Amino acid sequence: EVQLVESGGGLVQPGGSLRLSCAASGFTFSSYWMSWVRQAPGKGLEWVANIKQDGSEKYYVDSVKGRFTISRDNAKNSLYLQMNSLRAEDTAVYYCASSRRYYGMDVWGQGTTVTVSS
Amino acid sequence: IQLTQSPSSLSASVGDRVTITCRASQGISSYLAWYQQKPGKAPKLLIYAASTLQSGVPSRFSGSGSGTDFTLTISSLQPEDFATYYCQQLNSYPITFGPGTKVDIK
Repeated sequence: EVQLVESGGGLVQPGGSLRLSCAASGFTFSSYWMSWVRQAPGKGLEWVANIKQDGSEKYYVDSVKGRFTISRDNAKNSLYLQMNSLRAEDTAVYYCASSRRYYGMDVWGQGTTVTVSS
Repeated sequence: IQLTQSPSSLSASVGDRVTITCRASQGISSYLAWYQQKPGKAPKLLIYAASTLQSGVPSRFSGSGSGTDFTLTISSLQPEDFATYYCQQLNSYPITFGPGTKVDIK
């Protein structure tokens, strides 16, 4: 079964850090771009970051540049999102998704919730 | 690239034909995808490359358009289709989503 499972979410104080993980199974992880997408409570979808199959290219939405880092370990079929200097506006459900660069995000995890609050 | 969707919400009945429009602030060729999201669930890819139906998606869903104007059509609305629909452009970074169109029961 093709599956993505996120973990690592939780409650963190403003200015704190969190590392999200996404475990892939059932498909050739190393063949896909991977993405993080978030959704603030009651709001729409916001793309956060993309990483190429070999990790050689990474892209970020402006609001997280310099604070978030996307990475992957193809040997472990895992995707990561290191989030530093967290702000209240980073509060959201974070989804990982497999991405076919120009052709959409076809497999999604169930999401992990990040709450930034004092 | 900004995406706008219209309408922002609509009420429809089972069996109705529903059309949702997505407009891009600049040309994006055909690099547009459509997603369906139900409350508390992850989005589901319906259409990619503007008009290609994702595997396993019912044929009542269809997409069209290129450049800046795109449409998602549901030919005969089914009970399981009540959800929020998002368009997404993948032509250039940052990847962006439209604000969503909520389809609910009339």
